[in-house]
Amino acid sequence: DTEVTQTPKHLVMGMTNKKSLKCEQHMGHRAMYWYKQKAKKPPELMFVYSYEKLSINESVPSRFSPECPNSSLLNLHLHALQPEDSALYLCASTSEGGALYGYTFGSGTRLTVV
Amino acid sequence: GQQVMQIPQYQHVQEGEDFTTYCNSSTTLSNIQWYKQRPGGHPVFLIQLVKSGEVKKQKRLTFQFGEAKKNSSLHITATQTTDVGTYFCAGTNTDKLIFGTGTRLQVFP
Repeated sequence: DTEVTQTPKHLVMGMTNKKSLKCEQHMGHRAMYWYKQKAKKPPELMFVYSYEKLSINESVPSRFSPECPNSSLLNLHLHALQPEDSALYLCASTSEGGALYGYTFGSGTRLTVV
Repeated sequence: GQQVMQIPQYQHVQEGEDFTTYCNSSTTLSNIQWYKQRPGGHPVFLIQLVKSGEVKKQKRLTFQFGEAKKNSSLHITATQTTDVGTYFCAGTNTDKLIFGTGTRLQVFP
């Protein structure tokens, strides 16, 4: 299995909703990432987990809360989002952390906040 | 902070023409990676360059890492319609992979 699976593929949520994005990989990778990508822009790093521990938080607002239950799973919990948070949320993994290996990206969750 | 710029921002070519995108970093990089993102898709890893002056080829694609490890280029020979997409370079001098601004390639048949 050489894939990163993200669910759901599309999500529409209100500003008072609570929702979660899920990411799963079975490649034995030990580093997992959340990126946010706005239309026609490059992906922007949000969080890095290395060996199931949060190693980098790029000053992301607390309405985004990451969680890594085990080495194969990564969640992003969403609460009280704003319309400007609408974007493609990408999960990625690498065999080790440190940006020394190519990233395998999931197909993303396209989030719309209304 | 670290910035990675790419030029051009957009490129439209006729099928069969060559294409080059250039990537420039404000800081010296440990390595440079290249990704392709098709319209509506997600970034797909193409290659990584690590050594100063390194050149790698993948069929019609040629990747180069500058001697000072602050710039890189991707050259596509004889473009095809399947080459359509946005090409991102991504580099790091820390533990964080920072994506360049991207070059969107459109190929007309």
